[in-house]
Formats: sequence, structure tokens, C-alpha cells
Amino acid sequence: EVQLVESGGGLVKPGGSLRLSCAASGFTFSSYSMNWVRQAPGKGLEWVSSISSSSSYIYYADSVKGRFTISRDNAKNSLYLQMNSLRAEDTAVYYCAREGGDSTSDYWGQGTLVTVSS
Amino acid sequence: DIQMTQSPSSLSASVGDRVTITCRASQSISSYLNWYQQKPGKAPKLLIYAASSLQSGVPSRFSGSGSGTDFTLTISSLQPEDFATYYCQQSYSTPPTFGPGTKVDIK
Repeated sequence: EVQLVESGGGLVKPGGSLRLSCAASGFTFSSYSMNWVRQAPGKGLEWVSSISSSSSYIYYADSVKGRFTISRDNAKNSLYLQMNSLRAEDTAVYYCAREGGDSTSDYWGQGTLVTVSS
Repeated sequence: DIQMTQSPSSLSASVGDRVTITCRASQSISSYLNWYQQKPGKAPKLLIYAASSLQSGVPSRFSGSGSGTDFTLTISSLQPEDFATYYCQQSYSTPPTFGPGTKVDIK
């Protein structure tokens, strides 16, 4: 069974940093691209970042470029999102998702809440 | 970036109703269109990919159609567990963009 479990969310002050983790199991993690998608409270879904299976290709939304860094450790079946210079508008539930065929997000974690507030 | 719109933004329907949600892309995306269902407090779930392919395990009352810029998600007979918010997403180009969502609630 595919499982994705995010952790690392919490309350952080504007300008602060946070590192999210996503532990994957139930599939060959090293064979799949992975995504981070976020959802602000009461709002829709926003793609944040993607990383290819071998980390060769990395993409970011313009809203986080230069502040967030996606990475992965295939030996540990883990995906990460380092978030720096956090802003109030980064407040959201952050989901990690496996990229399946046709560039879908076919499996999602339960999400971790990041709150940026003073 | 490709902009996605959905209509309606919300709808009220009864169990057994046929429900149709439309999604429009700001430019042609061929068939690179996916549909997700999200229930309150839960992660999204992939329903339809490549415009009309049913994800494994998804009930056959869900169907998708369209290509180019105009797409449709249809629920043939609404069930109690289908009350949720539905999002379309284009995966034709980066950044992959989502529609604003359509909330389906009980009439």
C-alpha cells in the first residue's frame, strides 16, 4: 500500500525557516518524481515544487522560487521541502504527492500545516 | 502559465442526480487534464486522468470527457459519499495549475 506521511509543520514567525519531510513507503520511491502541493485555509490547491526521480529536474512555483528548496534522499525514501524567508501567505497545509502517469499526483499524504504568524 | 476555470463554483444536488462540472483551460492542453475529489479535512484524491481515464478503484459513475480547452466531469448518479469539492488540473506544462474548485453539496 502506498503511504506518504508528512511531518515538520508548525508555527513560525515571518522571515523564519521550516523543513518539511515526507516519508514514503509501499512503492519504489527512487522510480518516481514527487511533488509538493499546498492549500491555504479555505482556498484551492497550489502546486509548489516538483523533483524528478534522480533529482536531475527540479521546478518551483514563482511564488516560492528562491526561498524554498526541494530535495530527496532515495536511500531513506524521503522527500523534503526547506522553506526559508517564510511569509504570512505561505500559511497552508502542505501535501506531498507522488507523480504518476500523465504527470498526475496519484497518491497524496495527509498534509502538514504550516502557520506563519508573529 | 495556463489558467484553469471551473463552473459552477458550487452546486446543490440530491442523491441520484446527474451532475456535470466543466473546466476550461486558457490554451489548448490536449488531453492533459486531471480531476481530483477533496473532502473536508482530507487530502485530494485522483479520480480521472488524461481527461477520460478512470483511476483504479474509482467508481464507474464518474466519467470525464473533452480535449483541447473544454472538459467535463460527470457523476451519473450522485451518492452520499460524493459530496465534496472537485478540482481540475492541467498537466500539459509546468507549472501544473488547478482550477478553483467546484463544491458539490446536498440539496
